[in-house]
Amino acid sequence: AAGVIQSPRHLIKEKRETATLKCYPIPRHDTVYWYQQGPGQDPQFLISFYEKMQSDKGSIPDRFSAQQFSDYHSELNMSSLELGDSALYFCASSLWGGWPHSEQFFGPGTRLTVL
Amino acid sequence: AQKVTQAQTEISVVEKEDVTLDCVYETRDTTYYLFWYKQPPSGELVFLIRRNSFDEQNEISGRYSWNFQKSTSSFNFTITASQVVDSAVYFCALSETLLGANSKLTFGKGITLSVRP
Repeated sequence: AAGVIQSPRHLIKEKRETATLKCYPIPRHDTVYWYQQGPGQDPQFLISFYEKMQSDKGSIPDRFSAQQFSDYHSELNMSSLELGDSALYFCASSLWGGWPHSEQFFGPGTRLTVL
Repeated sequence: AQKVTQAQTEISVVEKEDVTLDCVYETRDTTYYLFWYKQPPSGELVFLIRRNSFDEQNEISGRYSWNFQKSTSSFNFTITASQVVDSAVYFCALSETLLGANSKLTFGKGITLSVRP
């Protein structure tokens, strides 16, 4: 079965550079979530989209922006990178709906290293 | 606000021992989901179980079992006859409803389980 695809899997950037992470949800899934997991930390919710509209927002820095496109893939844009942005970034997708709720399927993550 | 507490940070056991990972949650919602994920050293999040707030039946899947008790807001995970391959970080997570649908996951801090041969 098709899973959530994230690209790239690994990314190395310098401070103050920009980075773009991509997420391709499972076919027919209309909702995308982004999470950030720092070293030794738990995943923290950043932002989510449903049908190309932002559905919820967590502790996402102003330097970050994200969007969902018409084909439902999503991109997380990160500017003015800081050392503290080094983390594993997960994307998850699900079907927006009523009870019983669809679970979130996680991608393999993108490991971002800021030097 | 929702919160998940995993009071244990690190657990070390010898192979074949049973081990229980504790999870306590807080939520104001009456409709919510609880999850357990495994994160091996490779980093991916492996889904283990999802339980909704209306289903308090315990579940067993092979060597894994889960005990959900709403009265104590706990959702504990037991591994029977642990194996070295069970070594990983285990996260408990909670999802409330947003506009009638699934919302973001709130994770606990995770428990690092080490199983020694």
